Amino acid sequence: GAVVSQHPSRVICKSGTSVKIECRSLDFQATTMFWYRQFPKQSLMLMATSNEGSKATYEQGVEKDKFLINHASLTLSTLTVTSAHPEDSSFYICSARELGLTRTDTQYFGPGTRLTVL
Amino acid sequence: DAKTTQPPSMDCAEGRAANLPCNHSTISGNEYVYWYRQIHSQGPQYIIHGLKNNETNEMASLIITEDRKSSTLILPHATLRDTAVYYCIVLISGGYQKVTFGTGTKLQVIP
Repeated sequence: GAVVSQHPSRVICKSGTSVKIECRSLDFQATTMFWYRQFPKQSLMLMATSNEGSKATYEQGVEKDKFLINHASLTLSTLTVTSAHPEDSSFYICSARELGLTRTDTQYFGPGTRLTVL
Repeated sequence: DAKTTQPPSMDCAEGRAANLPCNHSTISGNEYVYWYRQIHSQGPQYIIHGLKNNETNEMASLIITEDRKSSTLILPHATLRDTAVYYCIVLISGGYQKVTFGTGTKLQVIP
C-alpha cells in the first residue's frame, strides 16, 4: 500500500510553545489529508480535513486558531499546535487519501506523533 | 456515514483463523466496507475494502453478505503480531469522505 510519513515521531515541549507536525505522502499525491487525535485508550477523533490549496475544514469543537493546518502541496500537510498546554498532550495521526486505479479511494495513515507538553 | 457494530473484544489462538464480524445494517448502495487495524501506539493500517463481492489480498479476506448488512474479516492464520484493534468502517468511495472511527474490536492472539 501507499506510504505516509510523519515527523517528528515524538516531541516534548514546554507549555506555551508551538509545535509543528509534518505529514507527507511518499509515493502518491494526496489532494485531501486528514488530521486525527487519539487520547489513551480511546478511538481516533477526526480534527480536520485538509484540502490542497484551500482552507482546512475543522470538526466541531476543534479550535482552528489553535490547530493551524497548512496543505501547501499535494504531498505535504502540516499541523501546528500553537501555545501548547498539557491538555494538548496526545497522539496525533494524519492520513492521506489516494485515488486508486479502480477509482475507489483509500486513506493511508501515518505512524503518528506523540506530543507531550510539560 | 452508516454506522457499524463490532464486538468489543475477541481472542484467537495463534495459527488459527480469526473471524471478525461487523454489522452495517443501514449501509447504502454506494458505500464500501473498509477494514483497518491499529497496533498499539501506531497509526491505523489499511487492510482491505469491498463493495459487494468477497475480496482477498495478502493480508486478509473480506466476506460481505448478499444483503450487505454485515461482513466478516478473516485473518487466515493469526500470529501474535495480528494483536490489534480492528475497525470496520463504511464509506462512500470516489468522492469526499471522512473516516469516522468507532470503538472497533480488540483482537488478542494467544500463543
